[in-house]
Amino acid sequence: EPEVTQTPSHQVTQMGQEVILRCVPISNHLYFYWYRQILGQKVEFLVSFYNNEISEKSEIFDDQFSVERPDGSNFTLKIRSTKLEDSAMYFCASTLNYGYTFGSGTRLTVV
Amino acid sequence: QKEVEQNSGPLSVPEGAIASLNCTYSDRGSQSFFWYRQYSGKSPELIMFIYSNGDKEDGRFTAQLNKASQYVSLLIRDSQPSDSATYLCAVITPSNSGYALNFGKGTSLLVTP
Repeated sequence: EPEVTQTPSHQVTQMGQEVILRCVPISNHLYFYWYRQILGQKVEFLVSFYNNEISEKSEIFDDQFSVERPDGSNFTLKIRSTKLEDSAMYFCASTLNYGYTFGSGTRLTVV
Repeated sequence: QKEVEQNSGPLSVPEGAIASLNCTYSDRGSQSFFWYRQYSGKSPELIMFIYSNGDKEDGRFTAQLNKASQYVSLLIRDSQPSDSATYLCAVITPSNSGYALNFGKGTSLLVTP
């Protein structure tokens, strides 16, 4: 069964550093998403991406965040100048219509 | 503010029993409803989705939707210890720009042998 692949599975970074989280969506999917889940809290929508541009973003997705699909297969989330409160699981998801498939996630720890 | 509400639990049921999980949502424009299962430290896995009022069955799982009451539920028949997980209700309320999933906080289910 096709999978959404995320790398790395765990990233530790120092506060103020930039991180890039990577995702390879399912190849024929058209919509791509990033969600995050702070420990013990609900899964929160960050951003959706369609046709090489952001289609929707939440209040969380401020200027600190950016997304890119650099080469037609990878989908990246960049977090500039990380803060302690950015520590969370970050999930990439893709869909052709409504059937979202989530990747296994990247656990980001900011120290 | 679009809200999706679930009891946090834990809901404890004995093995072989029916587990009933409930979810309410605030936006009447919501159109699509999803149940995900999430094991600790793992990503959400889609169990099933429902769009129309009524029941939808898939194996041991039945989703029920009542748009008038803004209520969606998930029944798990013949519960197994492996069903112990957090169950997430998620709703799509289409907007001009997207179809993002809006999740509830989840209900923790514990199936005891």
